[in-house]
Amino acid sequence: GAVVSQHPSWVICKSGTSVKIECRSLDFQATTMFWYRQFPKQSLMLMATSNEGSKATYEQGVEKDKFLINHASLTLSTLTVTSAHPEDSSFYICSARVGQFYGYTFGSGTRLTVV
Amino acid sequence: AQTVTQSQPEMSVQEAETVTLSCTYDTSESNYYLFWYKQPPSRQMILVIRQEAYKQQNATENRFSVNFQKAAKSFSLKISDSQLGDTAMYFCAFRNAGNNRKLIWGLGTSLAVNP
Repeated sequence: GAVVSQHPSWVICKSGTSVKIECRSLDFQATTMFWYRQFPKQSLMLMATSNEGSKATYEQGVEKDKFLINHASLTLSTLTVTSAHPEDSSFYICSARVGQFYGYTFGSGTRLTVV
Repeated sequence: AQTVTQSQPEMSVQEAETVTLSCTYDTSESNYYLFWYKQPPSRQMILVIRQEAYKQQNATENRFSVNFQKAAKSFSLKISDSQLGDTAMYFCAFRNAGNNRKLIWGLGTSLAVNP
């Protein structure tokens, strides 16, 4: 089946530094990647939608300069949290649409802790 | 605006019994897709079942089945012969059939299967 590999699975960084999260589609071409943020015991909050070769579309209230999304190829999308602060600590998940039946596959998530 | 409502924040069921999780949605579209996703403690999102709105027949995947009532805009998930491994958060999600590929998520139902 379609697999999205997300790395790292967890990361701890110091406040003010930047962190990059990668999502790779292993056996299919992901023309569109969705990036979510999830707080404990809450639902998924869509941050942005990225399309290969074009700029990402950010949801209202998401700082595009803080959460940089790059989708340079059909198999790789990255999310960079710039100048991270403790309030950016969260669980980040990527997802790609698969096939014609509008199924979606998800990465395993990245737990970011900013100290 | 399109919304998804899961009215049961938490539920529990005894092993081997049947449980039904409710989901209602609001849309003015006639063609759309509905999903149930499972998020176990590992936090990996797993597709449980999918329903196309134009199909009258309720989707079924092994022990999982849905009761899709289009007129009532209801999409409940029935889990038969519950197993301990079914313990997870369950999210109902919707997307329309147009070019907007975003999933609209419910807040989730935390299901505990007790031995």
